[in-house]
Amino acid sequence: GQNIDQPTEMTATEGAIVQINCTYQTSGFNGLFWYQQHAGEAPTFLSYNVLDGLEEKGRFSSFLSRSKGYSYLLLKELQMKDSASYLCAVSRTDSWGKLQFGAGTQVVVTP
Amino acid sequence: DAGVIQSPRHEVTEMGQEVTLRCKPISGHDYLFWYRQTMMRGLELLIYFNNNVPIDDSGMPEDRFSAKMPNASFSTLKIQPSEPRDSAVYFCASSLAREGVDEQFFGPGTRLTVL
Repeated sequence: GQNIDQPTEMTATEGAIVQINCTYQTSGFNGLFWYQQHAGEAPTFLSYNVLDGLEEKGRFSSFLSRSKGYSYLLLKELQMKDSASYLCAVSRTDSWGKLQFGAGTQVVVTP
Repeated sequence: DAGVIQSPRHEVTEMGQEVTLRCKPISGHDYLFWYRQTMMRGLELLIYFNNNVPIDDSGMPEDRFSAKMPNASFSTLKIQPSEPRDSAVYFCASSLAREGVDEQFFGPGTRLTVL
């Protein structure tokens, strides 16, 4: 089996930085994905990490430590449109193509 | 590309009726996934196909649920008979699983309400 844990909700101010943590326990770990989901919409891909380290993509960065079973998504210069749920998802080498999603972290950006 | 297409976008039906949800994956993608999302349980994988063959249906809740993929461009998820607890948003997603990267592209979802 596998466990994926992330906080339920986080609140931050426009222009600030927020870090969403995700911890996982799984055998045959392959890679970790982050998806963004606005209310009433489908999840959309943000980032993918397979090696340790930081991947930067504009205002968003994602970090992975395979040895610690830990990842975070960093959102910088927060904008109101960043208010959404952020889903951490794990892929495994023994179930090619399949993702296991965490429950998601609801980020609320306030003025 | 048009992306993943799902129909209908909204479905309201009465308990006991048959419901059929449809999905057209992105052309060329070889994986297709059916998910269900509710507030209580989050995003759950129901079943997925690779090259039109079901690979893992362990997430299908019970025998009332069935899924088919008769060809590479079409899949259905059927619930018969439907129950109020089946009310949820059902997403279809597809991917092209290259080595080490298996980003999934989601359709807009079907919001199902069973009265």
